Order: sequence, then structure tokens, then C-alpha cells
Amino acid sequence: EADIYQTPRYLVIGTGKKITLECSQTMGHDKMYWYQQDPGMELHLIHYSYGVNSTEKGDLSSESTVSRIRTEHFPLTLESARPSHTSQYLCASSDSPTGNTIYFGEGSWLTVV
Amino acid sequence: EDKVVQSPLSLVVHEGDTVTLNCSYEVTNFRSLLWYKQEKKAPTFLFMLTSSGIEKKSGRLSSILDKKELFSILNITATQTGDSAVYLCAAPVSYYGGSQGNLIFGKGTKLSVKP
Repeated sequence: EADIYQTPRYLVIGTGKKITLECSQTMGHDKMYWYQQDPGMELHLIHYSYGVNSTEKGDLSSESTVSRIRTEHFPLTLESARPSHTSQYLCASSDSPTGNTIYFGEGSWLTVV
Repeated sequence: EDKVVQSPLSLVVHEGDTVTLNCSYEVTNFRSLLWYKQEKKAPTFLFMLTSSGIEKKSGRLSSILDKKELFSILNITATQTGDSAVYLCAAPVSYYGGSQGNLIFGKGTKLSVKP
């Protein structure tokens, strides 16, 4: 079983608050990803990283930002949360050369009120 | 534009039935296709398919890829209520001309197995 952890699992916050979703993996994977998934909808890649100090935006535009200062850690930050940010955020990592097999964390459910 | 299309989007069956889930794809420089099962949390990996015509099997689940017709199917035999989930199909794609692929996902097939 993959060791990738997300916190918090569930969060309800007010509009305008700054939040950081934490993601850590203990597998030494170089590649890490953030996906966003609205209920009943498909997964969309919003950020990815191929290693320390490497971050790129994915196919879905997002107001969130990410950082990759350590291999094992890939936090996602929203500077000013809005109700439109309400969603599930899934962190993932991969060790394969082509990123084919991806291991997911359990997800962070964010509700902005 | 790369895409992965799944059908049906939802399916209701009774325990013991056999189901077939479909996934078609259009992916530049196709390398592989993956199936995931998603219950209430994150997707869990089921299969990765790279070669046409070779069936991958795990218990009651099996999957096969047809690279000529650009599709894959996921079969579940003797379904159980625990099989109720969203089944996702995904394929690695290359962003910004890079050689390292990220996954694009289909919308998923929501399977409900009734007792």
C-alpha cells in the first residue's frame, strides 16, 4: 500500500481565509500531483511537480499555488478561499519513469462558506 | 486534443450479474491505459494495460486493451455490493511537449450493485 498522506481530510472555512492543504509521501517519489474533483465529476490535474523546486500548472486553471521544497512534501495553498473553491483535492505521487502508475492520498474535502 | 471517454456513465445491476465498462481514448503518443476504482475517497489502482489483446485479471475483475480500435473494457463477473463504486479510466499524456506524462481521466462509470 502506498504511503501518501493528506491533511486535513475535511475542512470548512469562511470566505477570504487562507488555507494550506498538506500532502506528504514517504516513498521518495519524485513526481507529485494535485487533482481537483467536484462531486460526481471527473478528476482534473491542477498542479504537478517533477522534483524539488519544480512546479507546473496542470490542465485546469486554479487560483491555488503549490511549493516543492522537499521531495516528500507538496503543499497546496489558497490565499483567499471562495465558495467556488469548494471541492475535493487529491494529492498523488508516482515513481515510474513515465508517471503511469499514480498513488493517491485519501483526499481533502474543502468547503468554503 | 487528448481525451478519454467512458460509457455508460452509470449502471445499476443486481448481485451476481456480469458487467462490462467501456473506455475509448484518443491520446497522442499513447503508452498505456489505466483503470481505477473510486469509492468515497481517492481512486485505487486496478490495472495498467500496455499491450493489445493481453487480458489482465485480478479475481473477478479483468480488463483488455484494443490499440487498433482505441478502447479498453473492464469486466466484473459475479458482482457484489462491494463492487459499487465509480470506475475511472485514465491515460498518461505529455504536457508542454515534455516526455513525462500526467494522467487524464474519463468521467467515470458509476456502478451500483443492488442486493
